Amino acid sequence: AQKITQTQPGMFVQEKEAVTLDCTYDTSDPSYGLFWYKQPSSGEMIFLIYQGSYDQQNATEGRYSLNFQKARKSANLVISASQLGDSAMYFCAMREVGGGNKLTFGTGTQLKVEL
Amino acid sequence: GAVVSQHPSRVICKSGTSVKIECRSLDFQATTMFWYRQFPKKSLMLMATSNEGSKATYEQGVEKDKFLINHASLTLSTLTVTSAHPEDSSFYICSALPLAGGPGEETQYFGPGTRLLVL
Repeated sequence: AQKITQTQPGMFVQEKEAVTLDCTYDTSDPSYGLFWYKQPSSGEMIFLIYQGSYDQQNATEGRYSLNFQKARKSANLVISASQLGDSAMYFCAMREVGGGNKLTFGTGTQLKVEL
Repeated sequence: GAVVSQHPSRVICKSGTSVKIECRSLDFQATTMFWYRQFPKKSLMLMATSNEGSKATYEQGVEKDKFLINHASLTLSTLTVTSAHPEDSSFYICSALPLAGGPGEETQYFGPGTRLLVL
């Protein structure tokens, strides 16, 4: 079974609009962390946002927020006021405490921001 | 803060030669570094986990004699692709996990990656 599932291979959004990138996860570990990374065409992986499994509030970092629904095992990334520079591949990842700090990545969502 | 560098960014080599890729954490110390491989339009595949001063732990299916990893200090890990062949051509990217109590201790910070082309 996939531990991290990103069901949207590609998404389009108009500049200045908000967009939600979906991520669901599967774990039996009670302690885990969820991450979102952005990968532009240049290849570097840029850390965007982190949510711990015990965090009571949804994480926010500037225009990024994480819609964490623990019971549904989902951790969707919301990007507000999209900019052309947001066009990139976005990966959701999970770190399980029992997994030795390893990250498991989803297959990614290619986001294109249009004028 | 939390910057990771990788060198070289691109390398082209002949089949049969060895290539060394360096991964450095520039402004923090890392207990653990990770090496990933990424094929075009695919996700990252973890190759191995590298801990300073100890042997690397390789993922299933990764040949440890082909992909040699050395973690000499808390800021440097190297990946050597030995006797490279065209099928080793790929994008290799490392990440570093800060020492506990360091900045963003839960978070892996990634280098910019190395594109390897074996002719």
